[in-house]
Formats: sequence, structure tokens, C-alpha cells
Amino acid sequence: DIQMSQSPSSLSASVGDRVTVTCRASQNIGNFLNWYQFKPGKAPNLLIYGASSLQSGVPSRFSGRGSGTDFTLTISSLQPEDFATYYCQQNYDTPYSFGQGTKLEIK
Amino acid sequence: EVQLVESGGDLVQPGRSLRLSCAVSGFKFNDYAMHWVRQVPGKGLEWVSSISWNSGSLGYADSVRGRFTISRDNAKNSLYLQMNSLRPEDTALYYCAKDEKPGIVGATMYVWGKGTTVTVSS
Repeated sequence: DIQMSQSPSSLSASVGDRVTVTCRASQNIGNFLNWYQFKPGKAPNLLIYGASSLQSGVPSRFSGRGSGTDFTLTISSLQPEDFATYYCQQNYDTPYSFGQGTKLEIK
Repeated sequence: EVQLVESGGDLVQPGRSLRLSCAVSGFKFNDYAMHWVRQVPGKGLEWVSSISWNSGSLGYADSVRGRFTISRDNAKNSLYLQMNSLRPEDTALYYCAKDEKPGIVGATMYVWGKGTTVTVSS
């Protein structure tokens, strides 16, 4: 099975900051990597698919990069609504595994 | 507007069964694969199962294979997860999610519901 690891597990930042979350796969997954945003009590939201494609309706301050085993999600200028938990997911092979999450908190 | 609404979550004893449902609206249900994903309290996310547009392809996590059955009724715009022989470790928030393609290969959860809670405890 493919293992996904994210770092950091939590992050404190301020509105306007640039933040980057890293996701690493245990084997080469090409660009089969998605990023999701989770907020308590709300339906989760797909942000990035195919490692770098911005999902329709997602603000352009979100971007994804990487291929193979190393990937990043960057938020260029944090907004108050961005404080949430972010997960990466590999869709290269079953079981479709997720990272353990990165909780982004207000500093 | 695309909507997915899960239901059927409950408190059940170990060994019992439960059937989750996901009612969808706002899109042509029978064109897309669907998925179930669960979130264990305080822990991470686990892909549970996927079904192709015509039910011809199914996928399961090893942790649920042989106990859970995914199905869909395209005429009723509904997705189901039959959960048998439930264990305490099945306790989680269960989400249904929509893909943007008909097959289950390369599952991407494009739209999610808010989830339904399953608690397995004596």
C-alpha cells in the first residue's frame, strides 16, 4: 500500500502569510495527487487535483506543485476562511490513501 | 446545485448491521462514479469503497472487504453502504463523494456530503 505523510501536522500563521504544506508518497505516484480542505460541520472541499490543477471555484491563492513522491500545497496570502485542516490523497492505486492532515491555525 | 446528503448513521452494537444512504441531486447521477470515505474521530481519513457509474466496478478497503457492500440505485439517485459485522473500529463519520468520471480508477472526490456518524459500541 502507498503511505502518505504530511508535514507539518499543525501550523500557526497570520492573515496575509504565505504558507506551504508538504506531502510525501512512499513510492512514485506521478501526478496522481489531490488536496482537500476540511472544516468542522461543513462538507469537505476539493482544492487541487492532478497535483497542480485548481478545482473550479477555488481561489487562485491556492496552488499545488510536485510529481513523483514530493508535493506541496501553497496558500499565497492567507485569508480568515482558510483556517482549516488540509489533506493530501493519492489516487494512483487502491487503497486510495490520505495524509494525516495539516491543521492550519490562526496565530 | 450539486448536493449529497448522507443518512442512516446510528449507535449500534458490535456485530450488528447498518445501512447508510446518500441522496444526491443537481447532477446526472448515473454518469459518475461514487465513493465512501470515513473519518475516525481525532484521526485521519480512510477511503472505504467506490462504485462505477453502472455498478460494474467496485472497490473496497481491506479493512471492510467482505463486511461492507457498496451499491447504487440510479433510478432513485441514491448511493448505499451496507455495513455488516460492525466493529468498534468502524466508528467514524462517513462521507459520500462524487467523482467527475464514470469509472473508479483514479478516484477523486470532487464533491462531498457533510457525513453521517456511525458509532459501534456495546
